[in-house]
Amino acid sequence: QSVLTQPPSVSGAPGQRVTISCTGSSSNIGAGYDVHWYQQLPGTAPKLLIHGNSNRPSGVPDRFSGSKSGTSASLAITGLQAEDEADYYCQSYDSSLSGWVFGGGTKLTVL
Amino acid sequence: EVQLVQSGAEVKKPGESLKISCKGSGYSFTSYWIGWVRQMPGKGLEWMGIIFPGDSDTRYSPSFQGQVTISADKSITTAYLQWSSLRASDTAMYYCLRNPSGWFGPIDYWGQGTLVTVSS
Repeated sequence: QSVLTQPPSVSGAPGQRVTISCTGSSSNIGAGYDVHWYQQLPGTAPKLLIHGNSNRPSGVPDRFSGSKSGTSASLAITGLQAEDEADYYCQSYDSSLSGWVFGGGTKLTVL
Repeated sequence: EVQLVQSGAEVKKPGESLKISCKGSGYSFTSYWIGWVRQMPGKGLEWMGIIFPGDSDTRYSPSFQGQVTISADKSITTAYLQWSSLRASDTAMYYCLRNPSGWFGPIDYWGQGTLVTVSS
């Protein structure tokens, strides 16, 4: 049971928009700690996708965007492409655990 | 270019000890936190702990405290994750990572992963 809750899977057709939610609590996201998102392509290490709730590192397409409100955060992917098929993880800091916490991961399938 | 290069895959028996490594290059090794994450087969990411090589300040996840030891040798810019007595449940992929800005910042670089298989 992960501290941050994500849907196990989402899917969409090429060109469509999908969103992935990340729900936390008052000791992590709700406490104001930043949320970061990572993309893990099959058989590879995770890669930073969004940092500080909504900031894209250099090289990440603007099709990816992040937002945060209250105890939740969301990752949106527009103009879905086959290459976006991957697992996506949210991450934040938790004051009760005094450390990092990850969501359980969401598998994105491009139909 | 920042790189985190991990040691190769390991196959061990239950009860054996193991130390895997993560060599950092292309940046000031002593100025950034280095951490470890476990990914069991088909499962998600679990934070294990982090170390600041500059002063060896080390923090562990409550789930891994006492189960593993994290260390670093700044003279060779290498961090380590070690077990004194492996269990079958330690079978997983282990990733090292770099964090540039402490607890509240993101992980900006990841190693390629080290697969540890524990089986009798």
